Amino acid sequence: DSGVTQTPKHLITATGQRVTLRCSPRSGDLSVYWYQQSLDQGLQFLIQYYNGEERAKGNILERFSAQQFPDLHSELNLSSLELGDSALYFCASSAQGFSAEAFFGQGTRLTVV
Amino acid sequence: DAKTTQPPSMDCAEGRAANLPCNHSTISGNEYVYWYRQIHSQGPQYIIHGLKNNETNEMASLIITEDRKSSTLILPHATLRDTAVYYCIVGSNTGNQFYFGTGTSLTVIP
Repeated sequence: DSGVTQTPKHLITATGQRVTLRCSPRSGDLSVYWYQQSLDQGLQFLIQYYNGEERAKGNILERFSAQQFPDLHSELNLSSLELGDSALYFCASSAQGFSAEAFFGQGTRLTVV
Repeated sequence: DAKTTQPPSMDCAEGRAANLPCNHSTISGNEYVYWYRQIHSQGPQYIIHGLKNNETNEMASLIITEDRKSSTLILPHATLRDTAVYYCIVGSNTGNQFYFGTGTSLTVIP
């Protein structure tokens, strides 16, 4: 158990819909990262938040957005969903930057039908 | 884009050492080398990281060449549970975009 909690574990939704994925970081960790992993693909970095503020952006689509709340949990919002958005979405947390180990949650498997 | 090159797959006999190579010829002076692994579709798991000195922990050893352009992750006594995709990543402790690349799929054979 990494201490990072992601909900829900599985999500099935239709094209055009909007979903919200939630991540609770390890206690005390200030950084939250979101990654997307499509079938048989590597992990694509989406975005990072540090203590409530956006720190870095990767290959995140404009239809996707995220935020980190004062209690440090984070949400990833995916809208106007397309079939190609079907993937595993991972959240990771670390105390600060990646100079130390980062802990990953078990992911949310999103299926768009 | 990934700054590392790894072989796509490797096999290792159970109980033997698994040596996973990684090339990172464009690594900058302030960038660390990190290793993670992903078992099936679980969340990636941190293994070890280093800057220029060799490092060892309870899971593995990391050997970094003197010019820092390549490194090797060593699992001293591979078990079947070590079958996973292993990712070598370079990044600085001030940068935040960690690119995982495609990794090496290690299969431990009984």
